[in-house]
Amino acid sequence: SYVLTQPPSVSVVPGETARITCGGDSIQSKSVHWYQQKPGQAPVLVINYDSDRPSGIPERFSGSNSGNTATLTISRVEAGDEADYYCQVWDSSTDPVFGTGTKVTVL
Amino acid sequence: QVKLQESGPGLVKPLQTLSLTCTVSGGSISSTLYYWSWIRQSPGRGLEWLGYIYHTGGTFNNLSLKSRITISLDTSKNQFSLKLTSVTAADTAVYFCARVGGTAGNSPFDYWGQGALVTVSS
Repeated sequence: SYVLTQPPSVSVVPGETARITCGGDSIQSKSVHWYQQKPGQAPVLVINYDSDRPSGIPERFSGSNSGNTATLTISRVEAGDEADYYCQVWDSSTDPVFGTGTKVTVL
Repeated sequence: QVKLQESGPGLVKPLQTLSLTCTVSGGSISSTLYYWSWIRQSPGRGLEWLGYIYHTGGTFNNLSLKSRITISLDTSKNQFSLKLTSVTAADTAVYFCARVGGTAGNSPFDYWGQGALVTVSS
């Protein structure tokens, strides 16, 4: 089955940029979706189809996908961005797969 | 605005059947545009997809659950349900229902329920 690998944690100072990677074999051939999950809450879709922002998601959130790595970038990080972030793709046409998750800590 | 809400027992005994229902409002589960899914998250762990169902009643399930899982639709109540048989402590998790926002095989999970904690314990 398809494996998505994320760094367990990323730390960032407020106002700086956080980059969260999602590694997978030839991931560039797949559409990557990103979710933000705060403690005790359901995941929220923040980026879909590699780089599109759903309505209501700040422009500070952006995404890219190339080669074997997709990246979620959070610019001008705020304290409220502290959360777990998961990438997701579809393995074949029937099985969705989630990444291992990255905890973003705002210092 | 589409909303999903999980309901069901929060405590299930080992080897019994876990049953949860997801009630959808603001949209019809009979729509041909979407799929309806169950996802769980064990304590302190990541997200695990369990399965999804289409308006026809057709389902796709995570093979790791083998034959323990059943997902069904009740279009009259705009609900879909999860049954997981022969549960063990490893099935203790928060269970989310979610909508696949388009074609299976490409689309994101665009709406999620708040989640329901199910504990397997005697």
